[in-house]
Amino acid sequence: AQKITQTQPGMFVQEKEAVTLDCTYDTSDQSYGLFWYKQPSSGEMIFLIYQGSYDEQNATEGRYSLNFQKARKSANLVISASQLGDSAMYFCAMREEDYGQNFVFGPGTRLSVLP
Amino acid sequence: DGGITQSPKYLFRKEGQNVTLSCEQNLNHDAMYWYRQDPGQGLRLIYYSQIVNDFQKGDIAEGYSVSREKKESFPLTVTSAQKNPTAFYLCASSIVARMNTEAFFGQGTRLTVV
Repeated sequence: AQKITQTQPGMFVQEKEAVTLDCTYDTSDQSYGLFWYKQPSSGEMIFLIYQGSYDEQNATEGRYSLNFQKARKSANLVISASQLGDSAMYFCAMREEDYGQNFVFGPGTRLSVLP
Repeated sequence: DGGITQSPKYLFRKEGQNVTLSCEQNLNHDAMYWYRQDPGQGLRLIYYSQIVNDFQKGDIAEGYSVSREKKESFPLTVTSAQKNPTAFYLCASSIVARMNTEAFFGQGTRLTVV
């Protein structure tokens, strides 16, 4: 079974608007971390934001925020005021205590920002 | 500057040949990982190592081998047993004891079988 599900293979957003990228996860571990990465066409993986399973507040980093709903096992990434440079693949990942602390990645969402 | 260096950036292999991808880090991280990425897909774990001289198979280890003789280095060999090796390979490292720390990635190696 997929541990990380990203149901949106592709998304379009108008420049300067906000966009939400969905991520749901599956774990029975109590201690885990959720990460979002951006991958531009160059292939590099850029870390964006982190949310811990015990964190009570949603994480924020500049224009990125994470809508964490623990009971629903979702960790959606919100990008505010989209820019053309935000066009890229976005991956949700999970790190579990019981899985050797390895990082498991979802299939990704390709975001295209329109001028 | 601290980081992860992968080389080469592009690699071409003839069928039946073994090739080795290099990964070096100077972040003093204990854990290192190798991922494979196929076009338009997510990352799949090949091998990982949390300590020198020890490594574990990931989800798609068949046809690959690794070594971890030094903390800084985690080379990946793609053997002739790997039937479909054309892919983008990413090496990463992280701190083991702290779950709230991210994985740091190299720039990747694009392997093509010709």
